[in-house]
Amino acid sequence: NAGVTQTPKFQVLKTGQSMTLQCAQDMNHNSMYWYRQDPGMGLRLIYYSASEGTTDKGEVPNGYNVSRLNKREFSLRLESAAPSQTSVYFCASSPQSGANVLTFGAGSRLTVL
Amino acid sequence: GENVEQHPSTLSVQEGDSAVIKCTYSDSASNYFPWYKQELGKRPQLIIDIRSNVGEKKDQRIAVTLNKTAKHFSLHITETQPEDSAVYFCAASIGFGNNDMRFGAGTRLTVKP
Repeated sequence: NAGVTQTPKFQVLKTGQSMTLQCAQDMNHNSMYWYRQDPGMGLRLIYYSASEGTTDKGEVPNGYNVSRLNKREFSLRLESAAPSQTSVYFCASSPQSGANVLTFGAGSRLTVL
Repeated sequence: GENVEQHPSTLSVQEGDSAVIKCTYSDSASNYFPWYKQELGKRPQLIIDIRSNVGEKKDQRIAVTLNKTAKHFSLHITETQPEDSAVYFCAASIGFGNNDMRFGAGTRLTVKP
């Protein structure tokens, strides 16, 4: 079982460029999440998808869009990257939305110059 | 909105000693409180969680206590070992549907051999 797989692991962008982070889970989980991790700030929720076909904003959604492509896949798109989006991004999934254990992917380190 | 405060930000103990990390939260509707461990360069992984209907939960050397009245919860690690060295994050579910989670800023625990 791969669990939660996200790609790419590393990416360097120039300001204004766009990119998509991909995430897939093979645990038949209903809910998927995108977090960003910055030094001294813990993990902050960007967007989540409680179930296939639904997406909702989290704590820090500005500058991002998401797509729940199917039950397995949840992508995060930066349309016009800014240096403030330099961060480590984690995808996660859980069996159901709400108060549930999160299984995280390995993380994607994004640098915006 | 919900605010999760975590203290201390760094903690250094001798092998065999106990370590305690404390978190406070503000949302009275919070009912799920997980703790995640993140080793350097790795993904966060759940180590223990507690729901609001219990006051304490133990798993071998790890325990979590919850005081709903005071809105704080703590992680206790006894007989610490060098492999316990990591960053620990507390979190609290928020919102009516508890679909979101707020994380603390993290505690870097160092266990000296």
